[in-house]
Amino acid sequence: EAGVTQFPSHSVIEKGQTVTLRCDPISGHDNLYWYRRVMGKEIKFLLHFVKESKQDESGMPNNRFLAERTGGTYSTLKVQPAELEDSGVYFCASSLGQDNSPLHFGNGTRLTVT
Amino acid sequence: GEDVEQSLFLSVREGDSSVINCTYTDSSSTYLYWYKQEPGAGLQLLTYIFSNMDMKQDQRLTVLLNKKDKHLSLRIADTQTGDSAIYFCAESMKGTDKLIFGTGTRLQVFP
Repeated sequence: EAGVTQFPSHSVIEKGQTVTLRCDPISGHDNLYWYRRVMGKEIKFLLHFVKESKQDESGMPNNRFLAERTGGTYSTLKVQPAELEDSGVYFCASSLGQDNSPLHFGNGTRLTVT
Repeated sequence: GEDVEQSLFLSVREGDSSVINCTYTDSSSTYLYWYKQEPGAGLQLLTYIFSNMDMKQDQRLTVLLNKKDKHLSLRIADTQTGDSAIYFCAESMKGTDKLIFGTGTRLQVFP
């Protein structure tokens, strides 16, 4: 079984540019999550999809961030325009959604905004 | 409020036991988790404990939960160099799927 895959693994962009991160969850997992770890701090929740619907987007920092999950399969997270403070590691996770079904995380995308 | 705290670093000698500690603030947590992150890799679920349990053992790993003090610990017996990684404590909130993570503890194992 393929795990959660994220692309790209690293991205270096300049302030003001746009970047799109992609996450492919484990096949059959309806729940998809985005998390972010900034500057060695704690990993923070960004948002949660159930299939193609946004269940909880309370962690999205501002309107420069746009997440989509068209068709309920893979998801994208777009940052436009990127700011220096957006640098960090963006993790995607998926789960079956049953009671206490564990979250399976991808390897993350390391984003550096210069 | 939701807050999970961990010490940042722990250094142990190979073969010794490691104890990584975590405190949390929300008493309504349902499950508490330990994740491991090796360099360049994602977060690997190591183990978890339901909030009404005191202890869980899984091979070299022992999780202790003191719900009164809101304190969680992970003990790794016979620590090996391959255990060097960042260990994250996390709690799940009742009624949500959201995980609240700590800052992570970097475990360094030296020979």
